[in-house]
Amino acid sequence: EVQLVESGGGLVQPGGSLRLSCAASGFTFSSYEMNWVRQAPGKGLEWVSYISSSGSTIYYADSVKGRFTISRDNAKNSLYLQMNSLRAEDTAVYYCARDKVIGILDYWGQGTLVTVSS
Amino acid sequence: EIVMTQSPATLSVSPGERATLSCRASQSVSSNLAWYQQKPGQAPRLLIYGASTRATGIPARFSGSGSGTEFTLTISSLQSEDFAVYYCQQYNNWPPRFTFGPGTKVDIK
Repeated sequence: EVQLVESGGGLVQPGGSLRLSCAASGFTFSSYEMNWVRQAPGKGLEWVSYISSSGSTIYYADSVKGRFTISRDNAKNSLYLQMNSLRAEDTAVYYCARDKVIGILDYWGQGTLVTVSS
Repeated sequence: EIVMTQSPATLSVSPGERATLSCRASQSVSSNLAWYQQKPGQAPRLLIYGASTRATGIPARFSGSGSGTEFTLTISSLQSEDFAVYYCQQYNNWPPRFTFGPGTKVDIK
């Protein structure tokens, strides 16, 4: 069974940093591209970042470019999102999602809540 | 950026009735469109990709159609577990700039 479990969310002050993790199991993690998608409270879905299966190709939404860094450790079956210079508008539930074929997000984790507030 | 719009924002339907949800793209996305279902407190679930292909385990009452800029998700006979928010998403860009529609909430009439 495919499982994705996010962790690392919490309350952080504006300008602060947080590192999210996503532990994958039930499939060959190193064979799949991965994404982060977020959802602000009561709002819709926003794609955040993409990473290829090897980690060599990475893309970001304009809203987070230069502040967030996606990475992965295929030996540990883990995906990460380093978030720096956090803003109030980054407050959201962050989901990791497996990429079936570029952009088709076929499995999602349960999400981790990031709250940016003083 | 390709902007996705969905209509209606809310659809009130009785169990057993048919529901038709619309999604429009600001420019052609070919058939690179997916539909997701999200229930309160849960992660989104992939329903349809390639505009019309059901994902693994999705019941046949869910069907998708369309191409280019106009797409439709049809639920042929609504079950109690189908009341949720439905999002469309395009994945036509490369480099990726995947964008989602604002969602359609299907609630009980």
